[in-house]
Amino acid sequence: DAGVTQSPTHLIKTRGQQVTLRCSPKSGHDTVSWYQQALGQGPQFIFQYYEEEERQRGNFPDRFSGHQFPNYSSELNVNALLLGDSALYLCASSWGVGSYEQYFGPGTRLTVT
Amino acid sequence: QQPVQSPQAVILREGEDAVINCSSSKALYSVHWYRQKHGEAPVFLMILLKGGEQKGHEKISASFNEKKQQSSLYLTASQLSYSGTYFCGTEIRVFGNEKLTFGTGTRLTIIP
Repeated sequence: DAGVTQSPTHLIKTRGQQVTLRCSPKSGHDTVSWYQQALGQGPQFIFQYYEEEERQRGNFPDRFSGHQFPNYSSELNVNALLLGDSALYLCASSWGVGSYEQYFGPGTRLTVT
Repeated sequence: QQPVQSPQAVILREGEDAVINCSSSKALYSVHWYRQKHGEAPVFLMILLKGGEQKGHEKISASFNEKKQQSSLYLTASQLSYSGTYFCGTEIRVFGNEKLTFGTGTRLTIIP
């Protein structure tokens, strides 16, 4: 049973550029949530996708956008990258929304120079 | 609002017990506990729903005090494999706002 997968593993970008991160949920899961984790901090909720729609959103600017595909996989897009966007981006999948256990992927380490 | 975890860090010898606390200023619907080892993804431990239930998972258990909006994670007879950073995630059940808000974590180090 494949778990949550994310690509790429690492990414280095320059300020002002755009980046797309990808996530494939665990088999049987239909909900994908994205988190940003700065070094030494807990994951910060970016947004959640369910039935191909953004269901809820955390306190992140519109530069952060996403998409969910019919096969439940998801993308996170960040435009006009800032140095402060450097972090580990985690994708988590679950079955349905609400109080269900989330399975996290290994993350994508984004470095903005 | 981000839940507050205490202590921030703790060092134990193998076999000792630990308690990690998580407090929120808001009325909670559920509390989720995760463990993250260095360089790895967070791993789900357990969920506690309001109602004050206590759950156990081998030598790791947790409680949820709904009145105090607090949860505690208990690790008994700690093993080396318990080392890592523990995060609580709190959920406030309001339609359309069911996201998890994670605390800043508690770093647990188990030494032989």
